[in-house]
Amino acid sequence: ETGVTQTPRHLVMGMTNKKSLKCEQHLGHNAMYWYKQSAKKPLELMFVYSLEERVENNSVPSRFSPECPNSSHLFLHLHTLQPEDSALYLCASSLRISGMGNSPLHFGNGTRLTVT
Amino acid sequence: KQEVTQIPAALSVPEGENLVLNCSFTDSAIYNLQWFRQDPGKGLTSLLLIQSSQREQTSGRLNASLDKSSGRSTLYIAASQPGDSATYLCAVKGGEGAGGTSYGKLTFGQGTILTVHP
Repeated sequence: ETGVTQTPRHLVMGMTNKKSLKCEQHLGHNAMYWYKQSAKKPLELMFVYSLEERVENNSVPSRFSPECPNSSHLFLHLHTLQPEDSALYLCASSLRISGMGNSPLHFGNGTRLTVT
Repeated sequence: KQEVTQIPAALSVPEGENLVLNCSFTDSAIYNLQWFRQDPGKGLTSLLLIQSSQREQTSGRLNASLDKSSGRSTLYIAASQPGDSATYLCAVKGGEGAGGTSYGKLTFGQGTILTVHP
């Protein structure tokens, strides 16, 4: 149990589908993140939320749409994805925005997304 | 732009060996450096976090050092075990103002795949 739960664990979708990834944390953290992990590439930061407000959108295409309804939940809405979007999508949280004091990231186990 | 490099990309050792994983970064203006472990198909587990003012951190058989001025960190694993087999990633957090933000940005290396065989 990591403290950060992601669902679903695996997702296969066609390019015309709309789906959502869900992340939930009950660690009392105020910051949440979406990362993308592609094969043979470093983790890429996609979005950062602090106290439900988006503080960073790291040049992510609009076919990825994040939503943070409260500090415990984070969603990533997906539509008209491309095959190259296939990757492991990782959610993370931290007590405060990462980098302010001793506030390490806690990761979920990820959603393995395959776009056909 | 911060770049993080990890060497070697893969490492295979017999059980019981002491080993060192290397991480280098191009911009020394960091806030902290964090080492993670990732098991296949799983998320990342934080192992050690070193603040920029610190030189090393220890947890059990793990010791991480940081030389900020030279842009290097090492993760030392003592008496390796098969259960240590995983991918090890280091990540640096930019200092204040890095990337134009007040909280910096976490930049990851590509990781070192470690296999410890019995």
